[in-house]
Amino acid sequence: DQQVKQNSPSLSVQEGRISILNCDYTNSMFDYFLWYKKYPAEGPTFLISISSIKDKNEDGRFTVFLNKSAKHLSLHIVPSQPGDSAVYFCAASAASGGSNYKLTFGKGTLLTVNP
Amino acid sequence: DVKVTQSSRYLVKRTGEKVFLECVQDMDHENMFWYRQDPGLGLRLIYFSYDVKMKEKGDIPEGYSVSREKKERFSLILESASTNQTSMYLCASSSRPGRQFIYEQYFGPGTRLTVT
Repeated sequence: DQQVKQNSPSLSVQEGRISILNCDYTNSMFDYFLWYKKYPAEGPTFLISISSIKDKNEDGRFTVFLNKSAKHLSLHIVPSQPGDSAVYFCAASAASGGSNYKLTFGKGTLLTVNP
Repeated sequence: DVKVTQSSRYLVKRTGEKVFLECVQDMDHENMFWYRQDPGLGLRLIYFSYDVKMKEKGDIPEGYSVSREKKERFSLILESASTNQTSMYLCASSSRPGRQFIYEQYFGPGTRLTVT
C-alpha cells in the first residue's frame, strides 16, 4: 500500500517557465513533508519542507503548498533552470505520532528543464 | 557541512557471498538509515538505528541485517547476496527530532551493488 504517491513519473518544462511537481498521501497521521532532489550517481539532497500547521513555505525559487483536506502537496519551481533537471522525491513523516525518525518516500518524478 | 560517506561507490559480488556496506557520518547524528533505490519503486527503508546498538526494521528488512557499534558508523550486511538485491543502496543520517519537528535526513552518495 503506497502511502505517498507521485503519479507523474516525468515532467518536461521550458527554461524560465514554472515547474509544478505533485504529491498525494493517504496516511492522515502524516504531519511533516519534505522534498528531496536527486542527481544521477548522487544521494538525494534536502530541498524544502513544510509542517501541517502551514499551507505554504517558500525558499527562493522553490515553494511548497500543502492542502490537508485533499491530502495533496505540490512543489513549484519558478523560474525553472536547466540545473533543476533531476529526480524529485516527496517524503512524509508522522512527526507527532512517535515515529518521527522515519520518512516515507514517493517513487519520484524526473524533471527535465529544456534550454 | 554534514558529510555522510559510504565505503564503496560500486561493488560487484557473486550470489551467496556475504556483503558488507559501511556508512560513516561526521555530524554526531543519533539516527542512521539504510535505503535501497530501484527504478519505479523510489526509496524504500531497509533498517534504521536511533542509537548505538539499537535498530529497527524498516519496510523491507528481509535478507539484510545491520550493525551499529559506534555512533558514527552504521553497517548493512547481506548475509547471502542474491540477484534480487542488485540495487542502489543509500545511507542517511539525521538528528534526533523534537516532539513536533523532524530533522531532514542527509544522504551519502550511494553504493551501486551488482550481484551476479
